[in-house]
Amino acid sequence: QVQLQESGPGLVKPSETLSLTCAVSNYSISSGYYWGWIRQPPGKGLEWIGSIYQSGSTYYNPSLKSRITVSLDTSKNQFSLNLNSVTAADTAFYYCARHASRLGGSDYWGQGTLVTVSS
Amino acid sequence: QSVLTQPPSVSGAPGQRVTISCTGSSSNIGAGYDVHWYQQLPETAPKLLIKNNNNRPSGVPDRFSGSKSGTSASLAVTGLQAEDEADYYCQSYDSVLRGWVFGGGTKLTVL
Repeated sequence: QVQLQESGPGLVKPSETLSLTCAVSNYSISSGYYWGWIRQPPGKGLEWIGSIYQSGSTYYNPSLKSRITVSLDTSKNQFSLNLNSVTAADTAFYYCARHASRLGGSDYWGQGTLVTVSS
Repeated sequence: QSVLTQPPSVSGAPGQRVTISCTGSSSNIGAGYDVHWYQQLPETAPKLLIKNNNNRPSGVPDRFSGSKSGTSASLAVTGLQAEDEADYYCQSYDSVLRGWVFGGGTKLTVL
């Protein structure tokens, strides 16, 4: 059973950078699949942030593209998200997930982590 | 305002059948991009329920089924059970927005 686990600060100050890591177990991220980030403001719907393929190719939500970086660390079997210049609007549950296609269909998800942007 | 439109809520009694619609446009569902459905139980991560329009991942009961036609898709749940009470989201890809798009979510209540 593939497992994903997000980690990172639960509180980030406005204008700073939100950094999260997703550790993957029971599957090598270099073996295939896309690895992505999805977020959900409390009480609201889902928003795709971006994804990365095993090759390192990245696909970003155009509305967030100028502020995000998704990267792979195959030595640690994990991938990461950096979102800079955060505001209160970036407060959300952040989920990492695996998908077979860059077009969606995430079959394994992390449990999610709440990141609050506040001074 | 979500790119894909879902009803905010649906309800049904145990044992009944309900459907949840997901309406898109010519740049997403109508363009032929697959629709995926997720179930999100309270306080948990979304779970893939239907992939590629009408395929159930291993372990998903056959009470759940998906369909797609034109610019819309639907999720059907038959033999409603109390454990089906959750939020349901559709997801596709949009060629104009160049990214994934989600529906706003539908809350299913089992009466």
